[in-house]
Amino acid sequence: GAVVSQHPSWVICKSGTSVKIECRSLDFQATTMFWYRQFPKQSLMLMATSNEGSKATYEQGVEKDKFLINHASLTLSTLTVTSAHPEDSSFYICSATRGGRNEQFFGPGTRLTVL
Amino acid sequence: GQSLEQPSEVTAVEGAIVQINCTYQTSGFYGLSWYQQHDGGAPTFLSYNGLDGLEETGRFSSFLSRSDSYGYLLLQELQMKDSASYFCAVRDRGSNYQLIWGAGTKLIIKP
Repeated sequence: GAVVSQHPSWVICKSGTSVKIECRSLDFQATTMFWYRQFPKQSLMLMATSNEGSKATYEQGVEKDKFLINHASLTLSTLTVTSAHPEDSSFYICSATRGGRNEQFFGPGTRLTVL
Repeated sequence: GQSLEQPSEVTAVEGAIVQINCTYQTSGFYGLSWYQQHDGGAPTFLSYNGLDGLEETGRFSSFLSRSDSYGYLLLQELQMKDSASYFCAVRDRGSNYQLIWGAGTKLIIKP
């Protein structure tokens, strides 16, 4: 159990367009979901924490108007990168927690390339 | 502030044992986790220590000393497939299950 999926697994887009990434918990209800960004050979950088039905909490330095997060249900959170630019190219990973557990379950990640 | 330190790279031989250390500074320590990440993949959970002592899961063990703000991941009988990056991460009390991540240790295994 505790499988998290992400879609798409990779996406290439033109500069200025918006990209939506979906994160789903397939076999459990995720009380909290997290969105991370990871640049090559670096650690995970937390972008935001998302609880179902409430506004996401963004980390310092992350523009909430650029990275729109919607956590509409206990099994789905979406991240929309608006007006993407080449510097937004990165590996975006979501994770989810299940109530009372100490681990985060990660999705497979989405590799975004902005041309 | 909150920070974690771990070596950037460790090299070991197949079949050997390797230890990856992690020291941390946090205001409200709640637990230490270890994750494995292969190149191009997402992190996968390895272990969690909430209390002092050793937790063993197969070939992998993790240790925590809260008084020393220190932990380690021990990998035994190394296999080539263990080549990956290993991250320690601290859960901070009251942080809504957020994890504070170390920079990761790249484990290189030689035949």
